[in-house]
Amino acid sequence: KNEVEQSPQNLTAQEGEFITINCSYSVGISALHWLQQHPGGGIVSLFMLSSGKKKHGRLIATINIQEKHSSLHITASHPRDSAVYICAVEGGADGLTFGKGTHLIIQP
Amino acid sequence: KAGVTQTPRYLIKTRGQQVTLSCSPISGHRSVSWYQQTPGQGLQFLFEYFSETQRNKGNFPGRFSGRQFSNSRSEMNVSTLELGDSALYLCASTPLQGLGGYTFGSGTRLTVV
Repeated sequence: KNEVEQSPQNLTAQEGEFITINCSYSVGISALHWLQQHPGGGIVSLFMLSSGKKKHGRLIATINIQEKHSSLHITASHPRDSAVYICAVEGGADGLTFGKGTHLIIQP
Repeated sequence: KAGVTQTPRYLIKTRGQQVTLSCSPISGHRSVSWYQQTPGQGLQFLFEYFSETQRNKGNFPGRFSGRQFSNSRSEMNVSTLELGDSALYLCASTPLQGLGGYTFGSGTRLTVV
């Protein structure tokens, strides 16, 4: 069973700061997902990665398959980026395995 | 196109009762998976269905079951409800099994009293 660790668990930053959230996993995977969850519960899929790097607007996600590690970066952070960011890995018969999430607060 | 629709949004049930939750995937998506989210355990995989067949199952007791219909709509059922079953239940759909690109529904918040 894959173990997914995220850090930090909580992060408070000022508007405009560069944000990094890390995710590591223990067993090889077919894909890694970054998800965003706002209060109220709805989950939005931000990225699906199997290698390299993806960028969407101010969000950048990278994955290092050999190191079993991924990072999610937010450039020029804004209060509307405040949410829980969840890393999930896919592979084998366990469906998606999730990290505990990073609670991000961006203060104006 | 319409997103993933989960009904109902909220439910309150009594211990010992059973409950059925519904998930309608995005049109054309044939794979539906279910997840439980609690403050203590976070998000956990329940099961995945593809073409009306359960493909994978998470580590949950047999009280949790599901099915998928020919139109890809899925239901999950929890029998003999326990207080610990109080959670947000989310479903997600993907076009084909194992090809990712998950789209999540808004969830059903179940409270067991």
